[in-house]
Amino acid sequence: DAKTTQPPSMDCAEGRAANLPCNHSTISGNEYVYWYRQIHSQGPQYIIHGLKNNETNEMASLIITEDRKSSTLILPHATLRDTAVYYCIVRAFQGAQKLVFGQGTRLTINP
Amino acid sequence: GAVVSQHPSWVICKSGTSVKIECRSLDFQATTMFWYRQFPKQSLMLMATSNEGSKATYEQGVEKDKFLINHASLTLSTLTVTSAHPEDSSFYICSGRGGGGAFFGQGTRLTVV
Repeated sequence: DAKTTQPPSMDCAEGRAANLPCNHSTISGNEYVYWYRQIHSQGPQYIIHGLKNNETNEMASLIITEDRKSSTLILPHATLRDTAVYYCIVRAFQGAQKLVFGQGTRLTINP
Repeated sequence: GAVVSQHPSWVICKSGTSVKIECRSLDFQATTMFWYRQFPKQSLMLMATSNEGSKATYEQGVEKDKFLINHASLTLSTLTVTSAHPEDSSFYICSGRGGGGAFFGQGTRLTVV
């Protein structure tokens, strides 16, 4: 699986949009970008995934650059409950490929 | 999203005893399940991949005789930590693969005293 690079930590004010970047310059054509988050002492929670088009769901939006070498997860109106470690992972969609976690970004939402 | 239930959520055991952790996929069939371990302030580390009805594949450095994995059905995988020692104290998380995604249990905090 391609490696990803994320900033170790970020802060965001409550109610503002939180934009979390991820670099995945070695991503291959069949690999998707997945985002998970882990709130303290819980299992990771799936947020969103995409291949090349931008995606949006009830939790977040995912913006993938045209060359697919980087992406941004957007939490449009961050709340205190969004404080967590956010992991960006790239992997092929099909098959039994394992999810390999990097260090992620520790996002702190401040009141 | 799909639901993975992990039990127990926490356990304390004495050094030298064995502990079994269960991981169930509640609303999907997981042909593949993954087991992770997470130490404080660190990321998740993959321990092993288990496929239903076959032997688990362990990551390098993980002792297969110490961490026994059974995946007897499409909805249940178990991890048994044998002869547990204090250094095995950690947060253990399972994940079931299904529907194009991977879904995680809530984790089990193991403390060996």
